[in-house]
Amino acid sequence: EAGVAQSPRYKIIEKRQSVAFWCNPISGHATLYWYQQILGQGPKLLIQFQNNGVVDDSQLPKDRFSAERLKGVDSTLKIQPAKLEDSAVYLCASSLDGTSRVRQYFGPGTRLTVL
Amino acid sequence: DAKTTQPPSMDCAEGRAANLPCNHSTISGNEYVYWYRQIHSQGPQYIIHGLKNNETNEMASLIITEDRKSSTLILPHATLRDTAVYYCIVRVDAGGTSYGKLTFGQGTILTVHP
Repeated sequence: EAGVAQSPRYKIIEKRQSVAFWCNPISGHATLYWYQQILGQGPKLLIQFQNNGVVDDSQLPKDRFSAERLKGVDSTLKIQPAKLEDSAVYLCASSLDGTSRVRQYFGPGTRLTVL
Repeated sequence: DAKTTQPPSMDCAEGRAANLPCNHSTISGNEYVYWYRQIHSQGPQYIIHGLKNNETNEMASLIITEDRKSSTLILPHATLRDTAVYYCIVRVDAGGTSYGKLTFGQGTILTVHP
């Protein structure tokens, strides 16, 4: 089966610019997650969607980050404007549903460098 | 969710068993133990999970102590491709409507040597 797809794989921008990341989850997976992973740390959940509704965005910096999941399939994560501390790998994951025992499948991530 | 404690790094010789410990002394009755790993430049990968019984799959075995305050992930015959960061995560299972999230710590860097 095809895995979680993300693009681009790498992005370099200057601070105060905008950037967007795209994620295509595994077909049929209702739940989609965006994580931020800063170098040397474990991934941190930014936002979780169940179909096209948000169920957890408590750690999303809403003044600059936004995310949407149109039609309950693909998702985009946007940063506007970017700061130096946003340099990180942004991981997308999906699962069949949001119940606790269901494993999450991760994409390869997008490495963002903010100069 | 309960907090977990893992050693920052471990070494293992290729072909030998790798035993990765995890302490979760504040675990509650409805919390599962999950293990994920992250190979360099890849996203995390699910390995195994369990509640109180020992579990085994094609990748690894999970041994949970009787009091559930600690667990050990065992890779029976480690290979160079098992070099990765291993995350032990305790996660609430509140039933069919739970949206339990994974809270990653810093994990254990396992290095498998030739």
